[in-house]
Amino acid sequence: DVKVTQSSRYLVKRTGEKVFLECVQDMDHENMFWYRQDPGLGLRLIYFSYDVKMKEKGDIPEGYSVSREKKERFSLILESASTNQTSMYLCASRGPGQFIYNEQFFGPGTRLTVL
Amino acid sequence: RKEVEQDPGPFNVPEGATVAFNCTYSNSASQSFFWYRQDCRKEPKLLMSVYSSGNEDGRFTAQLNRASQYISLLIRDSKLSDSATYLCVVNGGTASKLTFGTGTRLQVTL
Repeated sequence: DVKVTQSSRYLVKRTGEKVFLECVQDMDHENMFWYRQDPGLGLRLIYFSYDVKMKEKGDIPEGYSVSREKKERFSLILESASTNQTSMYLCASRGPGQFIYNEQFFGPGTRLTVL
Repeated sequence: RKEVEQDPGPFNVPEGATVAFNCTYSNSASQSFFWYRQDCRKEPKLLMSVYSSGNEDGRFTAQLNRASQYISLLIRDSKLSDSATYLCVVNGGTASKLTFGTGTRLQVTL
């Protein structure tokens, strides 16, 4: 019954490292999203993709990039990790936007700590 | 003004109580509305969609007031297992993208 998976549950990296977070969904969804969640700030959208090779900036894209080479996979890249990127990262996927009540499914999250 | 606003709580209620959460949204073009539930250290999951006519699912009732741009969730006969954070979610005008409130925390006690 697995729908959205993320490559790691916990990750510890050092300042300046390049970090890859991988997300895979098995529901053939067009739309995929990356969020970060911090106490008191809720879920904030970093980037989303509505098709292969397409991407759009969310509310907080600075310091991040994304890649979507295949429909089922959406990667989040931290080019040079910084301590303020320590957070819980959640990937999600959703079916076509014209079905406005489509459910959005989340992965289990990756807790990233940058030292 | 935030796109989706919720009272963060926490709401501490005894088992069996009725509790209501409210949420306001700023984008009048929003087309779809949801309540998601997030347990501690877990991912958010859909609790229920919110339709214009209002809808009920067991002990849970959701209402939408488009004129006031207001959504509510009522939980009757609270259970210990209802303890969680409840996220108000709105399709913010872009069909594919959802906007999440910061959540309201509920703690149900014996």
